[in-house]
Amino acid sequence: DAKTTQPPSMDCAEGRAANLPCNHSTISGNEYVYWYRQIHSQGPQYIIHGLKNNETNEMASLIITEDRKSSTLILPHATLRDTAVYYCIARSGGSNYKLTFGKGTLLTVNP
Amino acid sequence: GAVVSQHPSRVICKSGTSVKIECRSLDFQATTMFWYRQFPKQSLMLMATSNEGSKATYEQGVEKDKFLINHASLTLSTLTVTSAHPEDSSFYICSARAGRGNTDTQYFGPGTRLTVL
Repeated sequence: DAKTTQPPSMDCAEGRAANLPCNHSTISGNEYVYWYRQIHSQGPQYIIHGLKNNETNEMASLIITEDRKSSTLILPHATLRDTAVYYCIARSGGSNYKLTFGKGTLLTVNP
Repeated sequence: GAVVSQHPSRVICKSGTSVKIECRSLDFQATTMFWYRQFPKQSLMLMATSNEGSKATYEQGVEKDKFLINHASLTLSTLTVTSAHPEDSSFYICSARAGRGNTDTQYFGPGTRLTVL
């Protein structure tokens, strides 16, 4: 699976949009981009995933560049409860895959 | 939907004892479950892949005789830490796969905090 690179930390004001970048320049054509987050002392929570089209759900939006070498997770109106470590993971399609967690981005939402 | 539970959430045991952790998929069937371990201020590390009805596949460096995994049904996998020692103290997290193809996603349990005295 392609390696992903994320900034170690980011800050965001409560109520503003949080834009979390992820670089995956070596991603291959059949690899999906997945986002998870982990609030302190809890298991990771699935947020969203995509292949090449932009995706949106009730939690967030995922914007993937046309060349697929990078993506941005957008939390439209961040709240204090969104403070967490956010992981961007590239995984291959098919049934035999593993999720490899990097260090992620610690997003701190400030009041 | 796609809820995964773990039990217990926290366990403290004496060195040399064995501890069993249960992972359940509550509203879906999971032919594959995964066990992770997370040490303080580190990321999740995959320990093993648990397949229903067959032997688990362990990652390099994980002792299969120490970390026994049983996946007896489509909704339950167990991890037993045998003869636990203080260095086994960690946060153990399971996940279960739901969906197929493009919707295939891993959902994680809340984790089990193991402290070995």
